[in-house]
This record gives sequence, C-alpha cells and structure tokens, in this order.
Amino acid sequence: GESVGLHLPTLSVQEGDNSIINCAYSNSASDYFIWYKQESGKGPQFIIDIRSNMDKRQGQRVTVLLNKTVKHLSLQIAATQPGDSAVYFCAENRKSGGSNYKLTFGKGTLLTVNP
Amino acid sequence: NAGVTQTPKFQVLKTGQSMTLQCAQDMNHEYMSWYRQDPGMGLRLIHYSVGAGITDQGEVPNGYNVSRSTTEDFPLRLLSAAPSQTSVYFCASRPTGSNQPQHFGDGTRLSIL
Repeated sequence: GESVGLHLPTLSVQEGDNSIINCAYSNSASDYFIWYKQESGKGPQFIIDIRSNMDKRQGQRVTVLLNKTVKHLSLQIAATQPGDSAVYFCAENRKSGGSNYKLTFGKGTLLTVNP
Repeated sequence: NAGVTQTPKFQVLKTGQSMTLQCAQDMNHEYMSWYRQDPGMGLRLIHYSVGAGITDQGEVPNGYNVSRSTTEDFPLRLLSAAPSQTSVYFCASRPTGSNQPQHFGDGTRLSIL
C-alpha cells in the first residue's frame, strides 16, 4: 500500500477484476481525504473524497473506506477497465494554523490493467 | 469552462535565467496553490493563496515567488533557475472552505540545464 516515505508501489490487475489501492496517512487530526487519479502527462484528477465523520463513501464504480483507528484509507475500483490505468494518489487535509488547511499527498500507486 | 489553465506546457531554461509560470482559473475559486512533482516524491506544496492579495509559503518555497493580484491569476516566478528546480509544476484551485477538493491544471514541464 501507499504511504509517505515509500517508493511508488505498483498494482497489476486483469480487466474486469476489482482493484484495491491502500494508503496510510500520518496525522490523526486530518479531517478530509481525497483520492486523485493521474494519467501520464496530465494533472491529478479528482475521483472521490470522504470526511472524517464517515467511514465509507461510494461513487460510480469507486468506493473509499476510511479507518481512523489505524489511519488507513483505501480506494476500491469495481470491474477495472484499461482506462483506469494511472497513478492514484491519496491526500489528507490537515489544519496548518489559524483557519488554513493544507493538502498533503502520498507518493502514489501505479495501477496497470491488463486486457 | 476551462478550469485551471497553465502556460507554458514545456520550458527549457539555462541556470540563472528567470521565468514566470502562468496559472489562471475561471471558477472564481478563492484558494490557489502551486505544487512541484518529482519522481518518487509525490506532490509538494510550494506556495498558496487564500484570496487576492494574500499568499503564504508551503513546504518547499525557496527559490520561488508568487503574487495574487486578482482572483483568477496566480503566477509562479523562478528568480534564478537552478537544476534542482527541474520538475513538473502543477497549479490547483478550490472554493473557499477546507473540505473541498482542489482542481489541477495539466502542468508545466520545466527543465533547467
């Protein structure tokens, strides 16, 4: 799984399988989490977010799970397609002083979908 | 609705040259930010702004200046380029309020020789 401080992990799946990408975050005070998808040569694209008062949120083919006890976040992609191949980043939003918040990114997981 | 637009897309500089990376957004977002992305390092925050006239430093601000004279524009200036600033630079914006996702441009790929 992904965590700040590790080299970029990779995940290879077959088309049609479900994918699970993991992320460990560092700050128990973080109250908002986001998953981004980044395709080659493009900027990060928002996929789904979750607030700390929730433990699960679903979107179209994607589900994010949040376990605050162990500071773990996961992104599940159902019926993975070749177009899902990309680097996936988790990001945590934490207070940086006053009313300011900063987004801190993990290093990403490379997902490769084999046809 | 163009979202976040960055120019140029590619740039090669010589050490010591200066340049400005442009970023514009048309979503009337108050918050804007600049990140750099290096292999194995993820995205690191350089500078950010919570509104026109207000800027603050991020995680890696040295060697970069910013200004925010309008809501739409947030240029990033390299005063004297160094090879260590070779990177991909991303600008992002979001609405006011902490729990809002940032929207990113497609980046500027900068090489310093």
